[in-house]
Amino acid sequence: GENVEQHPSTLSVQEGDSAVIKCTYSDSASNYFPWYKQELGKGPQLIIDIRSNVGEKKDQRIAVTLNKTAKHFSLHITETQPEDSAVYFCAASKDRDDKIIFGKGTRLHILP
Amino acid sequence: EAGVAQSPRYKIIEKRQSVAFWCNPISGHATLYWYQQILGQGPKLLIQFQNNGVVDDSQLPKDRFSAERLKGVDSTLKIQPAKLEDSAVYLCASSRDRGRIYTFGSGTRLTVV
Repeated sequence: GENVEQHPSTLSVQEGDSAVIKCTYSDSASNYFPWYKQELGKGPQLIIDIRSNVGEKKDQRIAVTLNKTAKHFSLHITETQPEDSAVYFCAASKDRDDKIIFGKGTRLHILP
Repeated sequence: EAGVAQSPRYKIIEKRQSVAFWCNPISGHATLYWYQQILGQGPKLLIQFQNNGVVDDSQLPKDRFSAERLKGVDSTLKIQPAKLEDSAVYLCASSRDRGRIYTFGSGTRLTVV
């Protein structure tokens, strides 16, 4: 089955700097890659997603890139703010199987 | 629209006791998922319902876990008897028509002592 690896497990960046989280997946049939943000005491919330027919997608300060050949995808957060501090999960899914498989998460700390 | 509701928020039980969690999905969402999230890990799917039928329960430890979704709306997840390793947050999520846009509830944090 699908396996999603995510790194780093912890990331600290200065406020205003950029943060990058990287993931790899194993199943070449996977074609949908969402990113979730989980704040303390809350469930994960979808922040952005990308499908395999697109190489990059942006939404304000957040962008995702996908390299199908290498089977890896990344989340980029620019101009980081204190409210970006949270745990971020990447995930993968495929058309024939709508289960979403999650990575282990990255705890992002924004330093003042 | 109202979100996914879960209760209770917290539960502490002794090992070998039983416990039940409740989930009310977003109105109109046909698909409901239960995930287990152990501290420091990503959510792991336990069971997926489409309306009131089970689509996938391959990761559900059926010797102790059970789940049902009556009338295709609310769902309950039960553990009997609980083990120490069941300590985790149990998340419920729902989506439209097996779509892959999930909405998660806030979860139930279970501590087994």
